[in-house]
Amino acid sequence: SQQGEEDPQALSIQEGENATMNCSYKTSINNLQWYRQNSGRGLVHLILIRSNEREKHSGRLRVTLDTSKKSSSLLITASRAADTASYFCATAYRESNSGYALNFGKGTSLLVTP
Amino acid sequence: GAVVSQHPSRVICKSGTSVKIECRSLDFQATTMFWYRQFPKQSLMLMATSNEGSKATYEQGVEKDKFLINHASLTLSTLTVTSAHPEDSSFYICSARVGGRVQETQYFGPGTRLLVL
Repeated sequence: SQQGEEDPQALSIQEGENATMNCSYKTSINNLQWYRQNSGRGLVHLILIRSNEREKHSGRLRVTLDTSKKSSSLLITASRAADTASYFCATAYRESNSGYALNFGKGTSLLVTP
Repeated sequence: GAVVSQHPSRVICKSGTSVKIECRSLDFQATTMFWYRQFPKQSLMLMATSNEGSKATYEQGVEKDKFLINHASLTLSTLTVTSAHPEDSSFYICSARVGGRVQETQYFGPGTRLLVL
């Protein structure tokens, strides 16, 4: 399995600022996904970027992928207090003949203050 | 979007008892469901993968006799923590996926917090 590693572990910014989180992984991937988790809650899928893509946008989210460096970044622009959450990257790996499983990184805890 | 529910959301039990956690896909049929475990301020660790009608595939280090998984229908998977001990206290999250393609999104339940006294 491959473990994604996010940095920073914790990030504190003010509303309106941009937040950038990075993720590194170890082996080849088919795709990389970013998830958000509010404290004590389940995960919400944010965005998926395939290995042949370099950049993807979704609303205020921008994800980049550099397969040569085995890294990805998640940028949240014009952050809001409601963006406060933990963000995880996850890489998909083949777990059986039936499909793929996800390997999650350690996460970045984002705090956005008003 | 697709909704996955978990029940109960929180459970406290005595050491030695068994606890069953349900994971349901409410508006879609899930061929595959996953069970994760998350300790405070840590990442999700995959425990097992279950496909409807077949035995679950457990990750290395996860005791299959302790964590019993049943995926009897396309909308329900259960995780039973048998003879629970305090070290089993954790946040258990399930996810469900429609198909087996790598691009398929996993939809996560809200999690179940287990506290074993």
